[in-house]
Formats: sequence, C-alpha cells, structure tokens
Amino acid sequence: AQSVTQLDSQVPVFEEAPVELRCNYSSSVSVYLFWYVQYPNQGLQLLLKYLSGSTLVKGINGFEAEFNKSQTSFHLRKPSVHISDTAEYFCAVWMDSSYKLIFGSGTRLLVRP
Amino acid sequence: GAGVSQSPSNKVTEKGKDVELRCDPISGHTALYWYRQSLGQGLEFLIYFQGNSAPDKSGLPSDRFSAERTGGSVSTLTIQRTQQEDSAVYLCASSSSRRTGTGPYEQYFGPGTRLTVT
Repeated sequence: AQSVTQLDSQVPVFEEAPVELRCNYSSSVSVYLFWYVQYPNQGLQLLLKYLSGSTLVKGINGFEAEFNKSQTSFHLRKPSVHISDTAEYFCAVWMDSSYKLIFGSGTRLLVRP
Repeated sequence: GAGVSQSPSNKVTEKGKDVELRCDPISGHTALYWYRQSLGQGLEFLIYFQGNSAPDKSGLPSDRFSAERTGGSVSTLTIQRTQQEDSAVYLCASSSSRRTGTGPYEQYFGPGTRLTVT
C-alpha cells in the first residue's frame, strides 16, 4: 500500500529565509506526487505536481520540489519565504489502483517577521 | 463561480441530530471526493464517486455516514445521530476523469464545511 510521511508537523522560519518541507512516500509502482497548500479557513490548492519527466518541478508562488526516486522523497523548497506563505502544506501521492489521493499529515509553515 | 462550492460554510448542531452537507463540483468533473479533516490532522478519505459507477465507500467511519450524488453532479454527505467526535472540517473535491490535461489525480477542493457538534 502507498503511504506518505511528513515528518515535520510544524516548521517555524524567519521571513526571507529558505525553507524545506520534507515528504517521503512508499510505493512499489509508478508515482504521481503532489503538494497542496491550505491557507487558514480555506480549502486545499494545488501547489505543484510531478507526473513524469524532469525531477525538478516548479510550482506557484516560487515553490519547487524535487522528485528523488532512490530516496523516495519529494521535498518542497522555497529560497526566500514571505509572511503570506504561512499555511498548512500537504504532500500527496496518487494511488492509481483505487483512484485516490493519499495525503500526508501536513506540515504547518509558520513564517515570522 | 467556476470552482467547487460547499454549503453551509459552518454548521453547529446538537449531539444526536442529523446533518446534511452539500457539495457542488466543477461543471464537467465526473469524479467527486469527500474528505474529513479533524483538528491538527491530515485529510481522511471518506467516499468517492465516479460518474454513474457505484461509489467507493471504503473510508466511511461508520454506518451513520452516507452520501449520494444526484444526476452525476451535486453531492450530499449525511451524518445521522451526530457525535462530538464528528466535529471536523468536511472537504469536497472534484476532478476530471480524463488522463490528459489535468487528469483524474489533480483535485480541486471546495472551502469546506466546519461542523461542530455540541
């Protein structure tokens, strides 16, 4: 069965500092990987996705993620964060056999001035 | 609007009452999902509808939970005899069934319904 692990429940960081949110997945088949962002009192919004091709994926708001098959990771990065990036970030893997997205438990990014 | 909409945005109910939560998916999206997000938790899959096929109910936590989708569009999630542990944000998402373009795996989420059972 596929699963997604987000080891960090909360990541505090100062404004303009770089950040990395970690995501590891377990899967024995081809994977489609996603990062979603949830701002306070809102639904989830797709940040970026990896389906195939280049392992470095760029998304909205200056975020990017790198698919690493050997380490089964899909970490999210941003070189310089803003206060407005404060949100909950969810990593997810698509489970083709059952047509479901499996979500990690989320990482709360807290950007401080 | 063109996005997924949910109603009500907030619902406060007494323990033991029934509640209905509504989801309007994006027009043309054949797949519809319900998730539950409890405080400080990730997303818990509840149920999945795909076109006219029988729904995947494998995530429903108990027989007090049910959902239907009428005409392949609007969906209603019903919770009977609500309990305090049902308090959560209930999120709906829709996606295209096509394997090109956005594909079935790119889900579009509504803003959610925050349910509080007192």
